[in-house]
Amino acid sequence: GAGVSQSPSNKVTEKGKDVELRCDPISGHTALYWYRQSLGQGLEFLIYFQGNSAPDKSGLPSDRFSAERTGGSVSTLTIQRTQQEDSAVYLCASSPRPGFGGQETQYFGPGTRLLVL
Amino acid sequence: QKEVEQDPGPLSVPEGAIVSLNCTYSNSAFQYFMWYRQYSRKGPELLMYTYSSGNKEDGRFTAQVDKSSKYISLFIRDSQPSDSATYLCAMSSTSGTYKYIFGTGTRLKVLA
Repeated sequence: GAGVSQSPSNKVTEKGKDVELRCDPISGHTALYWYRQSLGQGLEFLIYFQGNSAPDKSGLPSDRFSAERTGGSVSTLTIQRTQQEDSAVYLCASSPRPGFGGQETQYFGPGTRLLVL
Repeated sequence: QKEVEQDPGPLSVPEGAIVSLNCTYSNSAFQYFMWYRQYSRKGPELLMYTYSSGNKEDGRFTAQVDKSSKYISLFIRDSQPSDSATYLCAMSSTSGTYKYIFGTGTRLKVLA
């Protein structure tokens, strides 16, 4: 079956512009996660969705970052007024249901590489 | 201090060698431990998952968890050039939400 897909695969934008990143989780997966991977850094948690609600937004770096999920499926991460420090790979993951491992292990998409000039 | 520490490498080994990759952590609440492999410009893919302490083997891969030392390892036997990638450890606790805490990753190169 299809894995997690993300679009666009690459995005170059100018400082101050808004960007939208899209994630299509594996069909039937109710839990969805966004992470950010910067050069030399590990994956940094941003936000977690269960269905359409986000019980944990603790990783969003600032109020310029927001995310939504509709229909329990597709999610969009929006970054407003982008800054150069937002340049990173944004990864989305999904799992069949929320949990800590095993059957609930997170499966990752290929990521969106964002470059803010 | 980061919650999870991982040597970034790079680590270069000859084909056929046994590779040992390690992470240390500080949060004693971590119960679930994962190893992901990430090829260049790809998303991480799950290799191994273990719960609490002990060993788990899957083909050429063995994962070990020592909770008393807060230390986890991934061993790769008979390493192949196709194993060349970045290996990320990840862990989570059973309290709070379900986010994973990742190490920075170790870059491995297996030389033919």
